[in-house]
Amino acid sequence: AQSVTQPDIHITVSEGASLELRCNYSYGATPYLFWYVQSPGQGLQLLLKYFSGDTLVQGIKGFEAEFKRSQSSFNLRKPSVHWSDAAEYFCAVGGGSQGNLIFGKGTKLSVKP
Amino acid sequence: DSGVTQTPKHLITATGQRVTLRCSPRSGDLSVYWYQQSLDQGLQFLIQYYNGEERAKGNILERFSAQQFPDLHSELNLSSLELGDSALYFCASSAGTGSWETQYFGPGTRLLVL
Repeated sequence: AQSVTQPDIHITVSEGASLELRCNYSYGATPYLFWYVQSPGQGLQLLLKYFSGDTLVQGIKGFEAEFKRSQSSFNLRKPSVHWSDAAEYFCAVGGGSQGNLIFGKGTKLSVKP
Repeated sequence: DSGVTQTPKHLITATGQRVTLRCSPRSGDLSVYWYQQSLDQGLQFLIQYYNGEERAKGNILERFSAQQFPDLHSELNLSSLELGDSALYFCASSAGTGSWETQYFGPGTRLLVL
Protein backbone atom coordinates (compact mmCIF):
# COMPACT_ATOMS: atom_id res chain seq x y z
CA ALA A 1 0.00 0.00 0.00
CA GLN A 2 1.09 3.54 -0.65
CA SER A 3 2.42 5.50 2.30
CA VAL A 4 4.29 8.70 3.05
CA THR A 5 6.72 9.27 5.91
CA GLN A 6 7.84 12.61 7.17
CA PRO A 7 10.46 11.75 9.79
CA ASP A 8 10.62 15.17 11.41
CA ILE A 9 7.62 16.23 13.46
CA HIS A 10 8.99 19.67 14.31
CA ILE A 11 11.91 21.67 12.95
CA THR A 12 13.19 25.06 14.09
CA VAL A 13 15.44 27.15 11.85
CA SER A 14 16.76 30.68 12.08
CA GLU A 15 15.46 33.27 9.69
CA GLY A 16 17.75 33.43 6.66
CA ALA A 17 19.01 29.88 7.14
CA SER A 18 18.45 27.13 4.61
CA LEU A 19 15.73 24.54 5.05
CA GLU A 20 15.26 20.94 4.06
CA LEU A 21 12.14 18.96 4.97
CA ARG A 22 12.31 15.24 4.42
CA CYS A 23 9.72 13.06 2.76
CA ASN A 24 9.91 9.35 1.93
CA TYR A 25 7.23 7.50 0.06
CA SER A 26 6.28 3.93 -0.63
CA TYR A 27 4.64 3.35 -3.98
CA GLY A 28 4.82 0.60 -6.57
CA ALA A 29 4.90 2.66 -9.73
CA THR A 30 6.05 6.16 -10.67
CA PRO A 31 4.51 8.34 -8.02
CA TYR A 32 2.80 11.65 -8.29
CA LEU A 33 4.18 13.70 -5.41
CA PHE A 34 3.01 16.90 -3.81
CA TRP A 35 4.02 19.33 -1.10
CA TYR A 36 1.33 21.38 0.62
CA VAL A 37 1.62 24.05 3.29
CA GLN A 38 -0.93 24.76 6.00
CA SER A 39 -0.75 28.03 7.92
CA PRO A 40 -2.54 28.21 11.28
CA GLY A 41 -6.30 28.28 10.79
CA GLN A 42 -5.96 27.92 7.02
CA GLY A 43 -6.56 25.28 4.42
CA LEU A 44 -3.81 23.55 2.48
CA GLN A 45 -2.00 25.38 -0.28
CA LEU A 46 -0.05 23.57 -2.97
CA LEU A 47 3.64 24.48 -3.03
CA LEU A 48 4.74 22.21 -5.86
CA LYS A 49 4.20 18.84 -7.47
CA TYR A 50 6.10 16.21 -9.40
CA PHE A 51 4.59 13.87 -11.93
CA SER A 52 7.22 13.36 -14.62
CA GLY A 53 10.24 14.88 -16.29
CA ASP A 54 12.83 16.99 -14.52
CA THR A 55 13.44 15.63 -11.03
CA LEU A 56 14.06 19.09 -9.60
CA VAL A 57 10.76 20.88 -9.28
CA GLN A 58 10.31 24.59 -8.61
CA GLY A 59 7.35 25.84 -6.66
CA ILE A 60 5.87 28.95 -5.20
CA LYS A 61 7.40 31.10 -2.46
CA GLY A 62 10.95 30.10 -3.43
CA PHE A 63 10.56 26.40 -2.59
CA GLU A 64 11.95 23.53 -4.62
CA ALA A 65 11.91 19.76 -4.23
CA GLU A 66 13.98 16.97 -5.70
CA PHE A 67 12.57 13.57 -6.62
CA LYS A 68 15.08 10.77 -6.01
CA ARG A 69 13.69 7.45 -7.14
CA SER A 70 16.63 5.45 -5.76
CA GLN A 71 15.98 6.83 -2.28
CA SER A 72 12.16 7.02 -2.57
CA SER A 73 12.44 10.60 -1.42
CA PHE A 74 10.97 13.94 -2.33
CA ASN A 75 12.62 16.46 -0.01
CA LEU A 76 11.53 20.07 0.10
CA ARG A 77 14.16 22.82 0.21
CA LYS A 78 14.41 26.56 0.51
CA PRO A 79 17.73 28.42 0.47
CA SER A 80 16.72 31.21 2.86
CA VAL A 81 13.77 30.94 5.22
CA HIS A 82 11.53 33.89 6.05
CA TRP A 83 9.51 34.29 9.25
CA SER A 84 6.33 33.97 7.18
CA ASP A 85 7.33 30.41 6.24
CA ALA A 86 6.41 29.21 9.73
CA ALA A 87 3.64 26.68 9.10
CA GLU A 88 3.01 22.98 8.81
CA TYR A 89 4.20 21.22 5.68
CA PHE A 90 2.66 18.08 4.27
CA CYS A 91 4.07 15.71 1.69
CA ALA A 92 1.54 13.63 -0.25
CA VAL A 93 1.44 10.95 -2.93
CA GLY A 94 -1.32 10.50 -5.48
CA GLY A 95 -3.18 7.28 -4.80
CA GLY A 96 -2.97 5.23 -7.98
CA SER A 97 -6.29 4.35 -9.56
CA GLN A 98 -8.03 6.46 -6.94
CA GLY A 99 -7.47 10.15 -7.22
CA ASN A 100 -7.16 10.77 -3.51
CA LEU A 101 -3.98 11.96 -1.85
CA ILE A 102 -2.15 10.02 0.83
CA PHE A 103 -0.55 12.42 3.25
CA GLY A 104 2.37 12.23 5.62
CA LYS A 105 1.87 13.30 9.22
CA GLY A 106 3.34 16.72 8.53
CA THR A 107 6.37 18.70 9.72
CA LYS A 108 5.81 21.83 11.75
CA LEU A 109 8.32 24.54 10.93
CA SER A 110 9.17 27.25 13.45
CA VAL A 111 11.37 30.19 12.44
CA LYS A 112 13.61 31.94 14.98
CA PRO A 113 14.28 35.65 14.47
CA ASP B 1 -7.94 31.94 -2.02
CA SER B 2 -8.28 28.48 -3.59
CA GLY B 3 -11.77 29.06 -4.96
CA VAL B 4 -13.17 26.22 -2.85
CA THR B 5 -15.67 27.33 -0.23
CA GLN B 6 -16.82 25.47 2.84
CA THR B 7 -19.56 26.25 5.32
CA PRO B 8 -19.84 26.55 8.19
CA LYS B 9 -16.38 27.51 9.37
CA HIS B 10 -17.00 26.25 12.89
CA LEU B 11 -19.56 23.86 14.30
CA ILE B 12 -20.15 22.91 17.91
CA THR B 13 -22.61 20.16 18.67
CA ALA B 14 -23.37 17.39 21.15
CA THR B 15 -22.80 13.66 21.01
CA GLY B 16 -25.51 11.77 19.19
CA GLN B 17 -26.39 14.69 16.95
CA ARG B 18 -26.23 14.98 13.17
CA VAL B 19 -24.55 17.74 11.17
CA THR B 20 -24.12 18.63 7.52
CA LEU B 21 -21.00 20.19 6.08
CA ARG B 22 -21.18 21.93 2.75
CA CYS B 23 -18.59 22.42 0.01
CA SER B 24 -18.61 24.31 -3.27
CA PRO B 25 -15.79 23.33 -5.63
CA ARG B 26 -13.78 25.64 -7.83
CA SER B 27 -15.56 26.73 -10.96
CA GLY B 28 -15.18 24.02 -13.59
CA ASP B 29 -13.94 21.30 -11.24
CA LEU B 30 -15.93 18.08 -11.37
CA SER B 31 -14.24 16.13 -8.57
CA VAL B 32 -14.81 16.74 -4.88
CA TYR B 33 -12.87 15.04 -2.11
CA TRP B 34 -13.49 15.02 1.61
CA TYR B 35 -10.67 14.68 4.12
CA GLN B 36 -10.61 14.56 7.91
CA GLN B 37 -7.71 16.06 9.85
CA SER B 38 -7.26 15.05 13.47
CA LEU B 39 -4.29 15.16 15.83
CA ASP B 40 -3.99 11.40 16.15
CA GLN B 41 -4.84 10.28 12.59
CA GLY B 42 -3.48 13.18 10.57
CA LEU B 43 -5.08 13.88 7.18
CA GLN B 44 -7.27 10.98 6.10
CA PHE B 45 -9.18 10.64 2.86
CA LEU B 46 -12.87 9.98 3.38
CA ILE B 47 -14.65 9.93 0.03
CA GLN B 48 -14.54 11.28 -3.53
CA TYR B 49 -17.28 12.25 -5.93
CA TYR B 50 -16.95 12.94 -9.62
CA ASN B 51 -19.72 14.67 -11.53
CA GLY B 52 -22.36 13.50 -9.10
CA GLU B 53 -21.20 9.90 -8.74
CA GLU B 54 -19.26 8.31 -5.91
CA ARG B 55 -15.80 7.55 -7.23
CA ALA B 56 -13.69 6.30 -4.34
CA LYS B 57 -14.06 5.58 -0.65
CA GLY B 58 -11.41 5.82 2.02
CA ASN B 59 -11.66 5.52 5.77
CA ILE B 60 -15.20 6.75 6.00
CA LEU B 61 -17.35 5.51 8.85
CA GLU B 62 -20.79 4.07 8.16
CA ARG B 63 -22.24 6.92 10.24
CA PHE B 64 -20.90 9.33 7.63
CA SER B 65 -22.30 9.84 4.17
CA ALA B 66 -21.86 12.31 1.35
CA GLN B 67 -23.36 13.32 -1.93
CA GLN B 68 -22.66 15.62 -4.83
CA PHE B 69 -25.52 17.56 -6.33
CA PRO B 70 -26.18 18.49 -9.99
CA ASP B 71 -24.68 21.94 -9.41
CA LEU B 72 -21.54 20.06 -8.21
CA HIS B 73 -21.62 21.25 -4.64
CA SER B 74 -21.19 18.49 -2.09
CA GLU B 75 -22.42 17.78 1.40
CA LEU B 76 -20.90 15.56 4.05
CA ASN B 77 -23.38 14.26 6.60
CA LEU B 78 -22.11 13.09 9.95
CA SER B 79 -24.59 11.35 12.25
CA SER B 80 -24.65 9.80 15.73
CA LEU B 81 -21.69 11.99 16.50
CA GLU B 82 -19.07 10.87 18.99
CA LEU B 83 -16.39 12.83 20.80
CA GLY B 84 -13.78 11.30 18.52
CA ASP B 85 -15.40 12.87 15.47
CA SER B 86 -14.10 16.25 16.56
CA ALA B 87 -11.74 17.26 13.79
CA LEU B 88 -11.11 19.62 10.91
CA TYR B 89 -12.95 18.51 7.78
CA PHE B 90 -11.56 19.63 4.45
CA CYS B 91 -13.10 19.59 1.06
CA ALA B 92 -10.89 19.66 -2.02
CA SER B 93 -11.69 19.84 -5.70
CA SER B 94 -9.92 19.00 -8.93
CA ALA B 95 -10.79 19.11 -12.58
CA GLY B 96 -10.83 15.36 -13.09
CA THR B 97 -9.97 12.15 -11.32
CA GLY B 98 -6.33 11.53 -12.13
CA SER B 99 -3.80 11.05 -9.33
CA TRP B 100 -1.58 13.70 -10.94
CA GLU B 101 -4.19 16.42 -10.71
CA THR B 102 -3.80 19.26 -8.31
CA GLN B 103 -6.35 19.25 -5.54
CA TYR B 104 -7.41 22.67 -4.28
CA PHE B 105 -8.42 22.73 -0.65
CA GLY B 106 -11.07 24.79 1.07
CA PRO B 107 -10.48 26.48 4.43
CA GLY B 108 -12.10 23.62 6.32
CA THR B 109 -14.90 23.18 8.83
CA ARG B 110 -13.82 22.74 12.42
CA LEU B 111 -16.20 20.38 14.21
CA LEU B 112 -16.27 20.14 17.97
CA VAL B 113 -18.43 17.44 19.54
CA LEU B 114 -19.12 17.94 23.23
